[in-house]
Amino acid sequence: AQSVTQLDSHVSVSEGTPVLLRCNYSSSYSPSLFWYVQHPNKGLQLLLKYTSAATLVKGINGFEAEFKKSETSFHLTKPSAHMSDAAEYFCVVSVADYKLSFGAGTTVTVRA
Amino acid sequence: KAGVTQTPRYLIKTRGQQVTLSCSPISGHRSVSWYQQTPGQGLQFLFEYFSETQRNKGNFPGRFSGRQFSNSRSEMNVSTLELGDSALYLCASSLMEGDTQYFGPGTRLTVL
Repeated sequence: AQSVTQLDSHVSVSEGTPVLLRCNYSSSYSPSLFWYVQHPNKGLQLLLKYTSAATLVKGINGFEAEFKKSETSFHLTKPSAHMSDAAEYFCVVSVADYKLSFGAGTTVTVRA
Repeated sequence: KAGVTQTPRYLIKTRGQQVTLSCSPISGHRSVSWYQQTPGQGLQFLFEYFSETQRNKGNFPGRFSGRQFSNSRSEMNVSTLELGDSALYLCASSLMEGDTQYFGPGTRLTVL
């Protein structure tokens, strides 16, 4: 079965410093992977997606993620955190039959 | 283009009652999926509809049901509500099955 593991439940960074959110996946074949963000009391917003075209994927709001098959990882990064990046982030894999399987989420706090 | 809309945004019900939630997908999208989000279980797949047919179902009891109309709008119904059904219910739409899913703001259901 395909699944994702988010290695950090909470990440705290200072404004202007880099953000790294770690995600490992398990899959028997090349998966479709996504990062979604959820701001308080809001739905999920797509940040970026990987579908085997390029290993480095650029998303919205300065986020990017790198797919590393050898490490089964899909970590999300941003060079400089902004206060508006405070939210919960979900790493997601598309499993068989088009269902999405979500990681447990990583809460990001940005300190002024 | 308008995003996914869900109504109502908030609901309060009592145990034993039933509830119907509505989802209008992005114009032109034909696939609608439903997810339940709770603090304890995270985000879990409920079911997916395409062309008015339920294509996939998650591991939820039969009290959870849904349907899709010819205009792709979807409803989900929960009968005989239990306290544990309190959750944020998210709807997502995609152009076709397997395409990127775009989420609505969710319906917050509270069961008393």
